[in-house]
Amino acid sequence: QSVLTQPPSVSGAPRQRVTISCSGSSSNIGKNAVNWYQQLPGKAPKLLIKYDDLLPSGVSDRFSGSKSGTSASLAISGLQSEDEADYYCAAWDASLDGWVFGGGTKLTVL
Amino acid sequence: QVQLQESGPGLVKPAETLSLTCTVSGASISHYYWTWIRQPAGKGLEWIGRLYTSGETNSNPSLKSRVTMSLDTSKNQFSLRLRSVTAADTAVYYCARDGMSGLDYWGQGTLVTVSS
Repeated sequence: QSVLTQPPSVSGAPRQRVTISCSGSSSNIGKNAVNWYQQLPGKAPKLLIKYDDLLPSGVSDRFSGSKSGTSASLAISGLQSEDEADYYCAAWDASLDGWVFGGGTKLTVL
Repeated sequence: QVQLQESGPGLVKPAETLSLTCTVSGASISHYYWTWIRQPAGKGLEWIGRLYTSGETNSNPSLKSRVTMSLDTSKNQFSLRLRSVTAADTAVYYCARDGMSGLDYWGQGTLVTVSS
C-alpha cells in the first residue's frame, strides 16, 4: 500500500496526450514539492519533473507537471513509443520524515 | 558527469545481514544527501533511507530498526547494512543522490536475493 495513489495503468495512441494523477495528503503533496520519475523497462528510474513542474536539463518539453492542493498530475503530449515506461510520483513526507512514492503507473502506447 | 555504482553480494541467507556499497564518481559525497531505494520484482519503489556528511540520517520507519548507513569520504562511498533479512527483502537495490529537488542521479541497481 503506497502512501501516494496513482492509477495502475494508462494508455494512449501515438501523438495523443495522456495524464497520470497522483493523490496524497497534507503531510506530503500538500506541504512539499512533487517529483516524477520515469522508469524504462530494466532501467533505473530517471528524474522527469522536479519542484512540481520544472523539467531537469535534457528532459523533453512533451512532459509537464502540475499540482493543486494534495494532488499532482503528469501530462505527456505527442505520445511516442519510447514513452512506454512506468511513472512514479514522489514527495517528502513531513510526518514520516522521508520520501514517499506512488505505486507507479504503467504507460502503454497503443 | 555524476555516476553511482552499487556493489555487494547478490545472495544473502535469511537472518543474516545485507551489505551494499555505493561508489560515487564525478561529485564529492561531502555535499548532498545520499539515498538508498529498493524495488521488489514487479513492484514499486520503496525509500530505505538517506544520510549526510554530518552523520545525519533519516530512515523509513518500517525499516529503521534494521538499517545502518555510513559514509566513507576517503573513498567517496556510502554503505547500507540491513540486518535480519527475510525473503521480503529480496529486491533490486538502488543508490541515488538526493539533490533536495529530487533524486537526480541513480546507480544502475543491484539485485539482492535472500535465500538459503
